[in-house]
Amino acid sequence: GQQLNQSPQSMFIQEGEDVSMNCTSSSIFNTWLWYKQDPGEGPVLLIALYKAGELTSNGRLTAQFGITRKDSFLNISASIPSDVGIYFCAGQAPHTGANSKLTFGKGITLSVRP
Amino acid sequence: DAGVTQSPTHLIKTRGQQVTLRCSPKSGHDTVSWYQQALGQGPQFIFQYYEEEERQRGNFPDRFSGHQFPNYSSELNVNALLLGDSALYLCASSSPAFRHPQYFGPGTRLTVL
Repeated sequence: GQQLNQSPQSMFIQEGEDVSMNCTSSSIFNTWLWYKQDPGEGPVLLIALYKAGELTSNGRLTAQFGITRKDSFLNISASIPSDVGIYFCAGQAPHTGANSKLTFGKGITLSVRP
Repeated sequence: DAGVTQSPTHLIKTRGQQVTLRCSPKSGHDTVSWYQQALGQGPQFIFQYYEEEERQRGNFPDRFSGHQFPNYSSELNVNALLLGDSALYLCASSSPAFRHPQYFGPGTRLTVL
């Protein structure tokens, strides 16, 4: 089935640094979402993107919906220790309704060194 | 504004048993989706309920079934449990309105021995 590609599996950065992560797909999606998950908890929505080319910010987070509709990027600026966690991208396929299933990547584990 | 709630938090079962997990959606949401998340993986879509009917289904066997109640809460049932069913089971709620994302609950950790 469809799968979203996130790499690398892990990223290690210094506190205060910016970090960028991307997500790619072989299929087109009409909605891209980014979630953060802490150990033993459910994913928390960070940013939702609904239009190709859209650039959306949420505090220190900025995400973009790729023009080809097959990729998305998440940037975190001036990282802080609480940014530690697993970052998932998720996509919703077109023509399946506004509430269609989410397809997730495998996630990127972010570590922030103080 | 209460978010998505799930119960129980943790559950331990043995192979062959049956289990029921419960989910209450976020206030104002009427659609519930269930996902299975194995260790180290992203969530995998099981099925979605809207208006008390299963609207979409992922690639899961019939041992996985569900139900939605008139108050929009939902149950996930798994029969004949296998060791491979051990996972974090996540419930997400949403509204069918355009541009309304899915919000997740904290999950139920199921361990099958």
